Amino acid sequence: DVKVTQSSRYLVKRTGEKVFLECVQDMDHENMFWYRQDPGLGLRLIYFSYDVKMKEKGDIPEGYSVSREKKERFSLILESASTNQTSMYLCASSLMTLSPSYNEQFFGPGTRLTVL
Amino acid sequence: AQSVAQPEDQVNVAEGNPLTVKCTYSVSGNPYLFWYVQYPNRGLQFLLKYITGDNLVKGSYGFEAEFNKSQTSFHLKKPSALVSDSALYFCAVRDGYNTDKLIFGTGTRLQVFP
Repeated sequence: DVKVTQSSRYLVKRTGEKVFLECVQDMDHENMFWYRQDPGLGLRLIYFSYDVKMKEKGDIPEGYSVSREKKERFSLILESASTNQTSMYLCASSLMTLSPSYNEQFFGPGTRLTVL
Repeated sequence: AQSVAQPEDQVNVAEGNPLTVKCTYSVSGNPYLFWYVQYPNRGLQFLLKYITGDNLVKGSYGFEAEFNKSQTSFHLKKPSALVSDSALYFCAVRDGYNTDKLIFGTGTRLQVFP
């Protein structure tokens, strides 16, 4: 079974702090994703990585950065946390797709971040 | 641009009754469509996908989805609902032909009452 783990289930930080969210997958997946989940807005993609050191902005990258130094690990960084970044953060991974097929994404349990 | 819409924030159904969770899509080209489920305090789990072939797709936990090209819909269905099916359901579409990114809908909360 694919396992995607996230470093914390709950996190409380103060405005202006630098925050690191870590995600690790154990199935040698090329792709890794960071989403935030907000009620009524669904899941929105923050960043996507398709290989080590490769990244692509998603729909809402402002205020975030990412790091992928090893294939199994994908970190989301909030450079200076703000209250509007209070949310549930979900990490996912998948095998790279060779069209016309598509490989589903596997999700971690999520990190609920509160910024005070 | 690709998009999906889930018109219902919440669906209520009695245990044992059939359930439908609605999803409509807008894509250029052939759609790749997905359903995911999120149980309380858990991450999302893949349920099923439509890429090509039969319009009726069968997935996990007894769920199925019907692809309807003329109505641009991909509704999730189950013949007999269980209380344990109560969860948040997300429809998603592949964001273009040559990408592994998905675009998710806003989610529909399914409540099954005993």
